[in-house]
Amino acid sequence: KAGVTQTPRYLIKTRGQQVTLSCSPISGHRSVSWYQQTPGQGLQFLFEYFSETQRNKGNFPGRFSGRQFSNSRSEMNVSTLELGDSALYLCASSFFGGENEKLFFGSGTQLSVL
Amino acid sequence: TQLLEQSPQFLSIQEGENLTVYCNSSSVFSSLQWYRQEPGEGPVLLVTVVTGGEVKKLKRLTFQFGDARKDSSLHITAAQPGDTGLYLCAGYDDAGGTSYGKLTFGQGTILTVHP
Repeated sequence: KAGVTQTPRYLIKTRGQQVTLSCSPISGHRSVSWYQQTPGQGLQFLFEYFSETQRNKGNFPGRFSGRQFSNSRSEMNVSTLELGDSALYLCASSFFGGENEKLFFGSGTQLSVL
Repeated sequence: TQLLEQSPQFLSIQEGENLTVYCNSSSVFSSLQWYRQEPGEGPVLLVTVVTGGEVKKLKRLTFQFGDARKDSSLHITAAQPGDTGLYLCAGYDDAGGTSYGKLTFGQGTILTVHP
C-alpha cells in the first residue's frame, strides 16, 4: 500500500511569491492534515480537511490556505511568502481524522524562501 | 492553546545505556502519542496511550501515561545506535472528540546513541 505522497520534495521561492504544495493520502483515507515544522517552533498544526471540508484550523495567518478534492488529495497554498515561511511542510492522513486513529505522515516538502 | 513541554531537548549517550524522555503539560489530553522522526522523513507513530496510568511496551521502549492524563514518559532500555532520531510527543486536546487531526506537539528530543 503506497504511503502519503507529497510533492514537490524541495522548493525555493523568493519573498512575495506564492507556492502550492500537494499531498496524496493513503488510498481510502479521507482526512488530511497539514503541519509546519521549523527548528524554532517545532511542529505546528495548520488545518485539517475531510470530505472536501475544512474541519479544523490552527493559528496561522490567512496567507495559508488549503483545499481538498473529491479524491481526497489536498493542496495547501501560501501567498505573499515571507522569510519566516521557510520550513518543512508535512501532511498526514487517516481514515476519518479521529483521535485514536493512526496518523500517517508524508516525507514533507522543504520550502526555502529567499 | 495547550502546550506540551518535552525534556531533555538533547540526549547523547553510549550504546547500552538507559534513558527516559519526559513530556509534561498543565492541561489534560484525551490521548498522547509518541513519534520518531529521522532526517528527511516525516514522523512515524510509535504508540498511542489513552487511559490514565496506562503503560505500553514496544520491545525495549516503555511508554507511560500519567494518571491525570497530563504527562507521559518514554523509557528506552539498552539503547542502540539504531534508536538515534528525533522523538516527539503529541496529544489531542480533551475537546470532546472534535480535535480532527489537530495534534499539539512537544519540541522534541534529539537522541544520539554512540556505538
